Amino acid sequence: QKEVEQDPGPLSVPEGAIVSLNCTYSNSAFQYFMWYRQYSRKGPELLMYTYSSGNKEDGRFTAQVDKSSKYISLFIRDSQPSDSATYLCAMSTGGGNKLTFGTGTQLKVEL
Amino acid sequence: NAGVMQNPRHLVRRRGQEARLRCSPMKGHSHVYWYRQLPEEGLKFMVYLQKENIIDESGMPKERFSAEFPKEGPSILRIQQVVRGDSAAYFCASSQRQGDNSPLHFGNGTRLTVT
Repeated sequence: QKEVEQDPGPLSVPEGAIVSLNCTYSNSAFQYFMWYRQYSRKGPELLMYTYSSGNKEDGRFTAQVDKSSKYISLFIRDSQPSDSATYLCAMSTGGGNKLTFGTGTQLKVEL
Repeated sequence: NAGVMQNPRHLVRRRGQEARLRCSPMKGHSHVYWYRQLPEEGLKFMVYLQKENIIDESGMPKERFSAEFPKEGPSILRIQQVVRGDSAAYFCASSQRQGDNSPLHFGNGTRLTVT
């Protein structure tokens, strides 16, 4: 079993839809949780960064962490074609930036 | 992404040759990380360096791979005697300081193809 599980998709939604992306993990020591967006042939771009459980909102993006269930989510409101990319969850136990990544979910937002 | 500079963007090597990948961190960042992304797999941590020091190399293969971050100049990831299984995208990331409250910023990667 992988430490971090993420559905690879692809996930296809119409423009304007609310998108829900999720990851589950097995290591209860993870404390820091991140979402990255990666366009084709580009490096990952940090979208959201949260510590421990709770919600964090930034514009159209909301990140949720439920440590009791070992489950994290990223919500994208009013999705746009420019949101089409691969979304990677990542997490760390602390003490540095040695991140464990999910395999990524490919999202396509269609006109 | 534009702040972390990696070169070359694409590198083709024959089996047995050496590959050298370079990374210049964002301005003001002194912590560098290398990650590898294999097809259909997530990014995997390889090594964490500060200037002139290797802090954590627990993700580096024991043989053929080495990394450095000299006092002057970019960080270098070196792969000796490359094999087809080394074909992957190699990403460098940097942070301003140590610790998880200093998020990583990634470059656009070097795509290594071993023929």
